[in-house]
Amino acid sequence: KAGVTQTPRYLIKTRGQQVTLSCSPISGHRSVSWYQQTPGQGLQFLFEYFSETQRNKGNFPGRFSGRQFSNSRSEMNVSTLELGDSALYLCASTWDRNSGANVLTFGAGSRLTVL
Amino acid sequence: KNEVEQSPQNLTAQEGEFITINCSYSVGISALHWLQQHPGGGIVSLFMLSSGKKKHGRLIATINIQEKHSSLHITASHPRDSAVYICAVRSSSGGGADGLTFGKGTHLIIQP
Repeated sequence: KAGVTQTPRYLIKTRGQQVTLSCSPISGHRSVSWYQQTPGQGLQFLFEYFSETQRNKGNFPGRFSGRQFSNSRSEMNVSTLELGDSALYLCASTWDRNSGANVLTFGAGSRLTVL
Repeated sequence: KNEVEQSPQNLTAQEGEFITINCSYSVGISALHWLQQHPGGGIVSLFMLSSGKKKHGRLIATINIQEKHSSLHITASHPRDSAVYICAVRSSSGGGADGLTFGKGTHLIIQP
């Protein structure tokens, strides 16, 4: 069965722009979680969704937002981009509402460069 | 605040050696994950533990809840095991509703 699909894989934006990233989970998985990875901070939790509801949010500013659709696909949006937002953004899916208590399947990530 | 510490940060070993990577955390947890990340970014989930020990092939993961410590072992290491290994925990506070907290990772290089 198809894995977790993230699009786009690579993108370049300039400061002040906004970006939307997409994540399609494994068929049947209803939970999607998002993570940011940078060389300095490592992996950090952004937010997680289950059945279109945000269950948890990490310690990121309000410029970072997300949503989940009825087909479990999820998007995250970053507005007013800053240079420090350059990172690899990863999503992961699992079948249960408690994403951390189940094995996660990760997508390949979207690498964002902000110039 | 939950802290996750991994050791060592970097490890270079010869093919065939027994490898141990350690993870310590500071708060009660509901689950601990071991992840593998190869150059290029893809992350693979190796284990999810809440107690005891799990084995998959040459990989073994153990957890001691009382000591807040987990270890990942690789037996008969091979160059293809070269990767970053990341420990992540899910806090048991807040009804288990917190997101994962990650360690900084252990960079493992296995030389032929």
